[in-house]
Amino acid sequence: QKEVEQNSGPLSVPEGAIASLNCTYSDRGSQSFFWYRQYSGKSPELIMSIYSNGDKEDGRFTAQLNKASQYVSLLIRDSQPSDSATYLCAGNNAGNMLTFGGGTRLMVKP
Amino acid sequence: EPEVTQTPSHQVTQMGQEVILRCVPISNHLYFYWYRQILGQKVEFLVSFYNNEISEKSEIFDDQFSVERPDGSNFTLKIRSTKLEDSAMYFCASSEGATRGYTFGSGTRLTVV
Repeated sequence: QKEVEQNSGPLSVPEGAIASLNCTYSDRGSQSFFWYRQYSGKSPELIMSIYSNGDKEDGRFTAQLNKASQYVSLLIRDSQPSDSATYLCAGNNAGNMLTFGGGTRLMVKP
Repeated sequence: EPEVTQTPSHQVTQMGQEVILRCVPISNHLYFYWYRQILGQKVEFLVSFYNNEISEKSEIFDDQFSVERPDGSNFTLKIRSTKLEDSAMYFCASSEGATRGYTFGSGTRLTVV
């Protein structure tokens, strides 16, 4: 069974702090990884993709991938209350379907 | 910004009835998907569709489910005989390439009573 695992949280951080979200995956064949943000009752929204080992930065977001450790992370700098949401990690399989983790709920307190 | 459009936003149906959920993917996207999310649970893959045929499907996507692209723009999911456990949010998604991230539609909340 190909799994993507996340701590469900909630992860609570003060406004302006760095939020660190983590994800592990079991399928060594997965090549592409994605972070989605999902507000309650809404659809997932793609915020970052990462395909190779190392860091990828986009504005306040940095995705990190370590294929040897089967580990993906997302850092959110200068966290804002509007960042409060559930963050979903997803990896692809040999085909093109994505396997999603259960999500980590992030709460940013003013 | 291009969007994936889903209709209806909410559908209530009686157990045993057929439902059709509709989606208009982004026009230049080639890959189409249906996912579902039962309240409080993971987003689960149902089926992927490429070049007018199913490319992958999950164990959830049994004989009561079917997909169709009846014209150049619409992509539909049919559930033939709904069960209580089919109650979920159903998301359509599309992507430009097999390894690219998806754009999700806003979802259809299906309630089976």
